[in-house]
Amino acid sequence: EAQVTQNPRYLITVTGKKLTVTCSQNMNHEYMSWYRQDPGRGLRQIYYSMNVEVTDKGDVPEGYKVSRKEKRNFPLILESPSPNQTSLYFCASSLSSRYQPQHFGDGTRLSIL
Amino acid sequence: KQEVTQIPAALSVPEGENLVLNCSFTDSAIYNLQWFRQDPGKGLTSLLLIQSSQREQTSGRLNASLDKSSGRSTLYIAASQPGDSATYLCAVPGGSGGYQKVTFGTGTKLQVIP
Repeated sequence: EAQVTQNPRYLITVTGKKLTVTCSQNMNHEYMSWYRQDPGRGLRQIYYSMNVEVTDKGDVPEGYKVSRKEKRNFPLILESPSPNQTSLYFCASSLSSRYQPQHFGDGTRLSIL
Repeated sequence: KQEVTQIPAALSVPEGENLVLNCSFTDSAIYNLQWFRQDPGKGLTSLLLIQSSQREQTSGRLNASLDKSSGRSTLYIAASQPGDSATYLCAVPGGSGGYQKVTFGTGTKLQVIP
């Protein structure tokens, strides 16, 4: 089954404790992207990747890192999480963001205390 | 910077009614426009994607139109059903940031009353 898988689905952690949210897709998609969703703010793009070893900033990259060492994986790293990063996070992928629809994971709800 | 607006923010209609959801964008240099639905606590499900060269796309009871020159897209839902209750989002890759950057609207929360 074609899918985008995020882990964990839920996480409660404390300020400053490094964490990684994994994202994996099995569709051989080139384009992958991370978003955060906050009430009243909608979805905002954090980082995106056009292909292996090619990443770039979205609208809200501060406090986040990403890497794309393999085509299927695009982890989101919070090296020193802070409470303002409490949010619902989504990973998405597509064959090409220019012409093809994005497929989304089920989301990861992060709470940083 | 691309800005995407969806009006109304919330809508409540009786079952069976036809309805229109609106999506406006400020930068017409878009590559496509995608409509999603999001159920509470769930991810986004893609409904329709309209390429910038197209005027409309249809899938079942859904029809989406695109007018790039006026910066508008509409999602038409025919004969609404309670199962259509969800938040509907539009997303636009493009604008001055290039097609890699995607801007979402804040959504329209639809409730269809049986």
